[in-house]
Amino acid sequence: EVQLVESGGGLVQPGGSLRLSCAASGFTFSTYAMYWVRQAPGKGLEYVSAISNNGGSTYYANSVRGRFTISRDNSKKMLYLQVGTLRIEDMAVYYCAREGGGVVPLDYWGQGTLVTVSS
Amino acid sequence: EIVLTQSPGTLSLSPGERATLSCRASQSVSSNYLAWYQQKPGQAPRLLIFRASTRATGIPDRFSGSGSGTDFTLTISRLEPEDFAVYYCQQYGNSLTFGGGTEVEIK
Repeated sequence: EVQLVESGGGLVQPGGSLRLSCAASGFTFSTYAMYWVRQAPGKGLEYVSAISNNGGSTYYANSVRGRFTISRDNSKKMLYLQVGTLRIEDMAVYYCAREGGGVVPLDYWGQGTLVTVSS
Repeated sequence: EIVLTQSPGTLSLSPGERATLSCRASQSVSSNYLAWYQQKPGQAPRLLIFRASTRATGIPDRFSGSGSGTDFTLTISRLEPEDFAVYYCQQYGNSLTFGGGTEVEIK
């Protein structure tokens, strides 16, 4: 069974940083591109970042480029998102998701981890 | 960036009725790489439809997707109680963007 479990969220002050983690199991992690998608309270879904299966290519939404860094450790089956210089508008539930490959988009999602930005 | 506009914002229907949700793109979606997701309160999104009209694994056949280019539709033929939720379209042909969502609520 495919499972994605996020952790690392919490309360942080504006300007602060956190590292979000996503533990993958039930599939060959190293063969799939992975994504982070966020959802502000009561709002819709927003793409944040993506990383290729081997970590060689990374992609970011304009809203987070230069402040967030996506990475992965295939030996540990872990996905990470270093979130920095946090703003109020970064407050959201952050989901990790697997890209199914080929024509299949995000086919499995974790339950999310909440990042709260407040002074 | 491709902007996706979903309509209506809210759809009030009764169980057994047909639901028709619209997603319009600001420019043509490459290769019709358009997906639909369902999200219930407190849960992660669930993939329903990809490449505009292909149902994901385990999705009941009352869900169907259609459309091409800039106009896409998700149809739920007969609403079941578990179908009341928020639905998002997503394009993944040029980076990745989501629509604002349509809430299907019980009338």
